[in-house]
Amino acid sequence: SQELEQSPQSLIVQEGKNLTINCTSSKTLYGLYWYKQKYGEGLIFLMMLQKGGEEKSHEKITAKLDEKKQQSSLHITASQPSHAGIYLCGAARSNDYKLSFGAGTTVTVRA
Amino acid sequence: KAGVTQTPRYLIKTRGQQVTLSCSPISGHRSVSWYQQTPGQGLQFLFEYFSETQRNKGNFPGRFSGRQFSNSRSEMNVSTLELGDSALYLCASSFTMGTGRYEQYFGPGTRLTVT
Repeated sequence: SQELEQSPQSLIVQEGKNLTINCTSSKTLYGLYWYKQKYGEGLIFLMMLQKGGEEKSHEKITAKLDEKKQQSSLHITASQPSHAGIYLCGAARSNDYKLSFGAGTTVTVRA
Repeated sequence: KAGVTQTPRYLIKTRGQQVTLSCSPISGHRSVSWYQQTPGQGLQFLFEYFSETQRNKGNFPGRFSGRQFSNSRSEMNVSTLELGDSALYLCASSFTMGTGRYEQYFGPGTRLTVT
């Protein structure tokens, strides 16, 4: 969706290095979801953010939603091969469960 | 708790046929959404069901339909299949109560190939 832009489109990182993925919306977000997908498989839920300024962490992954609720970032610390995959952000633009998704960011972790 | 399950996982159909896909949500989840994922269009919302009622619908032709049963299980149907319907169809379920927002969990998907 052009309303939800993810950057970069792909990235290659050396194992142990940090990486950041951005998700920018042209409209206010009511909720922002981050998922990870292995090619051709289902989406694995990572985190959901609702409030401007909210930040959540799980293991080595941290996600933030900016104050104006139009941008989110996903940060992975000390990347591992298990972090490889496609990361997708999904946006809720109203108080329902219809999500629009970004095109995804393909992450490759090199040993 | 078991996750979202989808059957079948893989399906091959011929153009013009119809197909029915099934989704069982996580126990206690009453909202079920369907998405289509293709390399060209990405992940697109089809429709969402809650308590056997369609609450939301995406921009897909009427050939795409769905329903939800009293146990929250859902099915989607595609009639008169076209080559462009080849895609990964994903189902997602959410717990809902009032106006709160909850996590949405996806199933493994059904890979549909139309020949």
